[in-house]
Amino acid sequence: ILNVEQSPQSLHVQEGDSTNFTCSFPSSNFYALHWYRWETAKSPEALFVMTLNGDEKKKGRISATLNTKEGYSYLYIKGSQPEDSATYLCALGGTSYGKLTFGQGTILTVHP
Amino acid sequence: GAGVSQSPSNKVTEKGKDVELRCDPISGHTALYWYRQSLGQGLEFLIYFQGNSAPDKSGLPSDRFSAERTGGSVSTLTIQRTQQEDSAVYLCASREDSNTDTQYFGPGTRLTVL
Repeated sequence: ILNVEQSPQSLHVQEGDSTNFTCSFPSSNFYALHWYRWETAKSPEALFVMTLNGDEKKKGRISATLNTKEGYSYLYIKGSQPEDSATYLCALGGTSYGKLTFGQGTILTVHP
Repeated sequence: GAGVSQSPSNKVTEKGKDVELRCDPISGHTALYWYRQSLGQGLEFLIYFQGNSAPDKSGLPSDRFSAERTGGSVSTLTIQRTQQEDSAVYLCASREDSNTDTQYFGPGTRLTVL
């Protein structure tokens, strides 16, 4: 059973703060690491898919890094805005057909 | 283009009744997945369809759960004799081709079993 851990469970920041979350996973049988943003009553939105050790991806103010050898990924948000408030999920693709194993998520609340 | 759609968005049913949840994947996507999120739990995999291959049902929690995908497109998840522990948000996702491609999720069906 793959175990994907995310920390912290929840986070409250002020508008303009930069923040980061951690996703830890077993480094064996690694295929891909996915990050999603899930706002209440909406579909989970894909942010990044990373497959190679050392991968760095960026989308606007959000970026992510990947270390497959030690089994972790960081998600960074620069200059948080209230609209960034959501649950951020990481998921490990640890099998050849892409089935995802999700962490519990980090709930981010950005206060104006 | 159109994303993944699911219906109904909300379903309230009585314990013991059967329910059907529908998923319309993105056109041309070969793979389709069902996941669910129960209260206080993370998203968990239920079942996977890929083309004409036999589905991977390893995540289905009991034999009351079944799913089919007709014509390689629309999928239906059926829960027979629903129980209160079946209450959850059921999400469908589809992906294009490669196993590491992005999975695109629908908005989910919130199932409440009274």
